[in-house]
Amino acid sequence: DIVMTQSPDSLAVSLGERATISCRSSQSVLYSSNNKNYLAWFQQKPGQPPKLLIYWASIRHSGVPDRFSGSGSGTDFTLTISTLQAEDVAVYYCQQYDSSPWTFGQGTKVEIK
Amino acid sequence: QVQLQESGPGLVRPSQTVSLTCLVSGGPINSGTHYWSWMRQSAGKGLEWIGRIYGNGDANYNPSLKSRVTMSVDTSKNQLSLNLASVTAADTAVYYCARMNGKWFEESFYYYALDVWGQGTTVIVSS
Repeated sequence: DIVMTQSPDSLAVSLGERATISCRSSQSVLYSSNNKNYLAWFQQKPGQPPKLLIYWASIRHSGVPDRFSGSGSGTDFTLTISTLQAEDVAVYYCQQYDSSPWTFGQGTKVEIK
Repeated sequence: QVQLQESGPGLVRPSQTVSLTCLVSGGPINSGTHYWSWMRQSAGKGLEWIGRIYGNGDANYNPSLKSRVTMSVDTSKNQLSLNLASVTAADTAVYYCARMNGKWFEESFYYYALDVWGQGTTVIVSS
């Protein structure tokens, strides 16, 4: 199984500041047929299901604010929230779907400082 | 707009089989442009992928659960089903169904992400 490791486990950021979350996979999640990294980012708020933010490592899902961005390739990926808003308080997960079984990171809790 | 709604018994006794359903509304379950997955989330193990199933009934399961899991599709009801046998306390979790959607990219079709999730149904395994 591909192991997904996120860092940090939690972070506190001031409103309007940048939040950066890292995700590392134990092997490449690059899909050779389309040269896309099969890496997604989700946001989860208490009592709600995960919500898709980013897919193919860097493509923002429809309706997601442009302060959210994804980058990286191969085994190292980053989710950046450029200017943190109060509504961004949540747990964020990365997920690989290149290789079965699909696997998720352990989650990163983002709070307001 | 596609919506998913899971349902289940809530409380299940150890060693029994839990049966969950996911009602799909707003679109056909057997479209060739997407397929379906089940995940679960527990405090101890985080988010775990259980498996996926296509509209024609072809399924793939997580090897860690494969011996106990069965997924199926009922096109007449537009719903998915998940059966998990011989449950233990470790199977206590919130269970989600989700859609894996696809899109055309450079003249080829690719599945790209789990873009729609249900609200989840809680399963507690306890005697």
